Amino acid sequence: SQQGEEDPQALSIQEGENATMNCSYKTSINNLQWYRQNSGRGLVHLILIRSNEREKHSGRLRVTLDTSKKSSSLLITASRAADTASYFCATDGGSGYALNFGKGTSLLVTP
Amino acid sequence: AAGVIQSPRHLIKEKRETATLKCYPIPRHDTVYWYQQGPGQDPQFLISFYEKMQSDKGSIPDRFSAQQFSDYHSELNMSSLELGDSALYFCASSPDRGSTDTQYFGPGTRLTVL
Repeated sequence: SQQGEEDPQALSIQEGENATMNCSYKTSINNLQWYRQNSGRGLVHLILIRSNEREKHSGRLRVTLDTSKKSSSLLITASRAADTASYFCATDGGSGYALNFGKGTSLLVTP
Repeated sequence: AAGVIQSPRHLIKEKRETATLKCYPIPRHDTVYWYQQGPGQDPQFLISFYEKMQSDKGSIPDRFSAQQFSDYHSELNMSSLELGDSALYFCASSPDRGSTDTQYFGPGTRLTVL
């Protein structure tokens, strides 16, 4: 993968807690996107943040982007059991349009 | 709202056989991307098409080829299948290659090579 690492690789929390996932990347970007994937299923787009944005909110999701550190974080507030999934960040690499995915964080939310 | 359609959803093949995966993008989306996701792996970009022309190429083996047709649907042709080709194959579409817009993914085709 041309993407950096996602951290943590696995996260287990209880319902109602917040979950924070981090993503690092290697190249310059135009935007960074976060996707969710339930086990063996399709990728669901969550949020896109452009390189000139520092923070973006969507419902219970908050994404930050630090281009100087080439890193992003995804915060899910008041987590629910239905949030259990793998979460991937993906960048466009700056010069192309294909997405480069991170390794993903596996989130388990227990009731 | 209409989503990306992929067919078949599941496919089982023997080694050295061929397979064809189909992708129907969201209406009025002219860009299609193909990704491969091995077990426990992150998706890897294979190839993309914009306005029926190949636009980007990633880690697609020479045994694979793809094209986009006049109605914008795309097909991924895989020959001389190997055990390591077993994976989820995703197609994604976006409305405009030049806008770095969101890519919308289909449900995937799960290919198993025996």
